[in-house]
Amino acid sequence: ETGVTQSPTHLIKTRGQQVTLRCSSQSGHNTVSWYQQALGQGPQFIFQYYREEENGRGNFPPRFSGLQFPNYSSELNVNALELDDSALYLCASGAGTYEQYFGPGTRLTVT
Amino acid sequence: AQSVTQLDSQVPVFEEAPVELRCNYSSSVSVYLFWYVQYPNQGLQLLLKYLSGSTLVKGINGFEAEFNKSQTSFHLRKPSVHISDTAEYFCALIRMDSSYKLIFGSGTRLLVRP
Repeated sequence: ETGVTQSPTHLIKTRGQQVTLRCSSQSGHNTVSWYQQALGQGPQFIFQYYREEENGRGNFPPRFSGLQFPNYSSELNVNALELDDSALYLCASGAGTYEQYFGPGTRLTVT
Repeated sequence: AQSVTQLDSQVPVFEEAPVELRCNYSSSVSVYLFWYVQYPNQGLQLLLKYLSGSTLVKGINGFEAEFNKSQTSFHLRKPSVHISDTAEYFCALIRMDSSYKLIFGSGTRLLVRP
């Protein structure tokens, strides 16, 4: 059984650009959630997808969007990047229950 | 609204000493409670969870936590720590009626010294 994987590991972007982060869920899981972890803080919930539909959203602006594909892989897209978007982005998958299994994260730096 | 408070940003302790990491929560509805550990440059790993039943829950790596409803606390303990326990520890909750959104505390850095 494979775990949750994310790509890329690190990414550097310029303010105003767009970025796409990718996640491959753990086998058998049908939900995927994305979290933003700023330096020195706990993760903040961005949104969750269940069966390719958004299932809940945190306090993030619409320029944060996502997709979930039939094979349960997922993307997080962020448009018009701002300096404050610099963070570790974590993907977590689950089997429709409360338990979520996290990937290693993508470190995004916006300059 | 729900919230999680971890009062200690850093806890230094000597190897083989006991440790307690404190977590308090606030919620108007029933919740599930979790502790996660984050090693440097890694994602989060589930240490233990409280869903129902016995208020003392045991997790991986010798950690345990006690749920106290009256004090709205879920403190994490280990009787004897190792150097390898040095990491960031996060307490988190999920509402029972909408179990999709983990709400995390700000984390406690456990620093184990030889």
